[in-house]
Amino acid sequence: AQTVTQSQPEMSVQEAETVTLSCTYDTSENNYYLFWYKQPPSRQMILVIRQEAYKQQNATENRFSVNFQKAAKSFSLKISDSQLGDTAMYFCAFMKGGNYGQNFVFGPGTRLSVLP
Amino acid sequence: NAGVTQTPKFRILKIGQSMTLQCTQDMNHNYMYWYRQDPGMGLKLIYYSVGAGITDKGEVPNGYNVSRSTTEDFPLRLELAAPSQTSVYFCASSPVVGYTFGSGTRLTVV
Repeated sequence: AQTVTQSQPEMSVQEAETVTLSCTYDTSENNYYLFWYKQPPSRQMILVIRQEAYKQQNATENRFSVNFQKAAKSFSLKISDSQLGDTAMYFCAFMKGGNYGQNFVFGPGTRLSVLP
Repeated sequence: NAGVTQTPKFRILKIGQSMTLQCTQDMNHNYMYWYRQDPGMGLKLIYYSVGAGITDKGEVPNGYNVSRSTTEDFPLRLELAAPSQTSVYFCASSPVVGYTFGSGTRLTVV
C-alpha cells in the first residue's frame, strides 16, 4: 500500500518570501502521479500542481514549482513570492497509474500561514 | 461550467436519522468519488464509481451507501447517522487523471 507523509504540520512565511513544503511517499509502483492540492478556509480543494512520475522535468505553475526526486521518493512544493492568498492547508497526494478507478492517497497536510 | 456541485453545504443530523448527500457533475467524467475529511486530517475514500451502474468500496465504506444511475449523479446515503460520521464530505470527479472537487458538505451528527 502507498503512504504519503508530510512532516511539517504547520509552517509560516512572510509575504513575498519563498517557502518549501515537504512530502515523501512510499510505493513500489513505477507508474504514478503526484499532486499538490490547496485547501483555503473556503474548504474548496484546488489543484496546485501535478507531476507524472515518468517525467524527469519538474513541474512548474507560475509561482509554484516542485522538486521531484524519484529515487528518494520526495516531492516538495516551492512557493515563490508568497501572497496572503496562499494561506491554506496544502495536501500532497499520490495516485497509481494504470487503474484510474483507484483513489488518491493523501498526506495529512501542512497548514501554511502567509504573514503580512 | 458548474463543475462538481454538492448539496447541501451544511447539515445537522440527529443520531439515527438518515440523509442523502447529492453530487452532480457536468463534465461527463466517468470516475466519481466520495471522500470524508476529519478535522486536521487528509481525505479518506468512502466509495467510488468508474461509470454509471458501477460502484465500489473505498477505505471507509461502513455506514454509507451509494448509487450511480447516471454519469452525472453520484449520491451518498447515510443510514442511521452516528456521531463518528461527523465530518466534511467531498465529492470529486475525474476524466482519468486529476480530480475536480466539489465544495464540500459539513455534516454534524448530534
